[in-house]
Amino acid sequence: QKEVEQNSGPLSVPEGAIASLNCTYSDRGSQSFFWYRQYSGKSPELIMSIYSNGDKEDGRFTAQLNKASQYVSLLIRDSQPSDSATYLCAVIAGNTPLVFGKGTRLSVIA
Amino acid sequence: DAGITQSPRHKVTETGTPVTLRCHQTENHRYMYWYRQDPGHGLRLIHYSYGVKDTDKGEVSDGYSVSRSKTEDFLLTLESATSSQTSVYFCAIRGVRTGELFFGEGSRLTVL
Repeated sequence: QKEVEQNSGPLSVPEGAIASLNCTYSDRGSQSFFWYRQYSGKSPELIMSIYSNGDKEDGRFTAQLNKASQYVSLLIRDSQPSDSATYLCAVIAGNTPLVFGKGTRLSVIA
Repeated sequence: DAGITQSPRHKVTETGTPVTLRCHQTENHRYMYWYRQDPGHGLRLIHYSYGVKDTDKGEVSDGYSVSRSKTEDFLLTLESATSSQTSVYFCAIRGVRTGELFFGEGSRLTVL
């Protein structure tokens, strides 16, 4: 069974710091990797996607992928209280449905 | 805005009653999905559809059925609701390029 593992948290960081969120996956055939943000009581929102090894930056967000280690991470620079949410890692292989981790709860302390 | 509408958004029902949740999309996407989300379990796939009348089971399909008679609508039915089906249900559509999903606003179901 394909698995995606995340530390449930909560991860607490001070405002302005870098938040580092990590995810590992079991299926070596995985090809596409996504990070979603979910505020309490809301639906998941896609914030980053990454498909090849290395880093991908978008504003304050950087996704990092290492397929050899089956590891994907999300860095949030200059963390803001508005970044406080649950972050979901999701992985897909071919045409199979997306598999989600259980999420890491991030709390940014002002 | 991915053009996904879920209805009803909130529903309270009693054990043993049938319940149907509707997902409507306006962008002609081929793939549609139903997930449930529960504390400690994350998002779990119930059923998905890859075209009109084409559906398949996910990891938690027991007690649920689906139907897709036209591209824009994907229905999730609980034939006889149980308390264990109290959850938040999300519909999602798949992006055309690389498999990303876009979610509806969710339907909160409480089974008493």
